[in-house]
Amino acid sequence: SQTIHQWPATLVQPVGSPLSLECTVEGTSNPNLYWYRQAAGRGLQLLFYSVGIGQISSEVPQNLSASRPQDRQFILSSKKLLLSDSGFYLCAWSVQGAVVGERHFGDGTRLSIL
Amino acid sequence: AQSVAQPEDQVNVAEGNPLTVKCTYSVSGNPYLFWYVQYPNRGLQFLLKYITGDNLVKGSYGFEAEFNKSQTSFHLKKPSALVSDSALYFCARVEAAGNKLTFGGGTRVLVKP
Repeated sequence: SQTIHQWPATLVQPVGSPLSLECTVEGTSNPNLYWYRQAAGRGLQLLFYSVGIGQISSEVPQNLSASRPQDRQFILSSKKLLLSDSGFYLCAWSVQGAVVGERHFGDGTRLSIL
Repeated sequence: AQSVAQPEDQVNVAEGNPLTVKCTYSVSGNPYLFWYVQYPNRGLQFLLKYITGDNLVKGSYGFEAEFNKSQTSFHLKKPSALVSDSALYFCARVEAAGNKLTFGGGTRVLVKP
């Protein structure tokens, strides 16, 4: 069966510090991968998605970047965090080529910026 | 732009009573619709989806949803709510031509014993 892992579960960082959040998927090959941010326990905003290694699409201009160094690894990064980067970050995957395939989410990373 | 709307921020229901969480969608293209549930400090869990075919879709945990084209709605229902159904529920829609899944604002469900 497929599983998705995100770490760390919680993170407290000072303003201006760098960020690296990791997400890995097991049990499937060549998945679509996604990073979402959830603010204030409500709406989800798509930040990045990837259909393959090295292929990243950005949905909104922001202080963050994403990379996909391996087929089932998706990394969210920042060089200098802002207060506004606080939130709950969720990684998700879906089956490649399945346009209406459901997304499968990890348990998220809660990021607090001080 | 294609979108979904959840008109209720919160729904309160007594345990054992029917539960309905409302979702409407904008009329544009094919409505591929989803429901997800989120428990505190967890990721979203897929409940069910409508692509085509039977308007009544059955999903996980006893939930079902009815696609109503005339009312452009896709309400989530459960005949008898449990306290453990208390969570945040999201309606979502995918654009047929792309990889984007657009979420509604979410509805918090509180089931009281």
